[in-house]
Amino acid sequence: ETGVTQSPTHLIKTRGQQVTLRCSSQSGHNTVSWYQQALGQGPQFIFQYYREEENGRGNFPPRFSGLQFPNYSSELNVNALELDDSALYLCASSSPEDEQYFGPGTRLTVT
Amino acid sequence: SQQGEEDPQALSIQEGENATMNCSYKTSINNLQWYRQNSGRGLVHLILIRSNEREKHSGRLRVTLDTSKKSSSLLITASRAADTASYFCATDAGGAQKLVFGQGTRLTINP
Repeated sequence: ETGVTQSPTHLIKTRGQQVTLRCSSQSGHNTVSWYQQALGQGPQFIFQYYREEENGRGNFPPRFSGLQFPNYSSELNVNALELDDSALYLCASSSPEDEQYFGPGTRLTVT
Repeated sequence: SQQGEEDPQALSIQEGENATMNCSYKTSINNLQWYRQNSGRGLVHLILIRSNEREKHSGRLRVTLDTSKKSSSLLITASRAADTASYFCATDAGGAQKLVFGQGTRLTINP
């Protein structure tokens, strides 16, 4: 158990819809990162939040957006869902020693 | 795109044998981390090795890092059925705590 939780566990959406995924960081961690993992691939960095500000972004379009709250929990929002957005979405909170601790992920299926 | 490449992509060995997985990367790094993932679930942090370290141990795990060759290896000794999982290396090539993952090695331990 890493102390990082994500909700929901599974989600099915229709193409064109919007989705919000949630992440609760491990206590004491003020940095949260989001990753997308397609089937059979390694995770790809979406973006990172540090003290409620976006602190770096990977190669993802603007329809992927996020928020971090004062308690360091976080949301990932995806608008105008596409079939290729089907993936496991992972959030990770970071320790001061650079180790990242991942949540169990949210499996998103877009039909 | 993935920065790292793991080798082999898949490995199947008998319980009790040692398993070695390799990871190569392309750019300078400050640290490299190894993760385990069971059946498409969350990633479990195994070891972080910094660029000024050459070898690190944790229980049955041994990680080496050769920055001149831009490569790392993960050795699991005396393998167990419970070690069956996918193993990923990740570097901070994307920036502090913005991990860049390889494609992973799928390890199967046969009883």
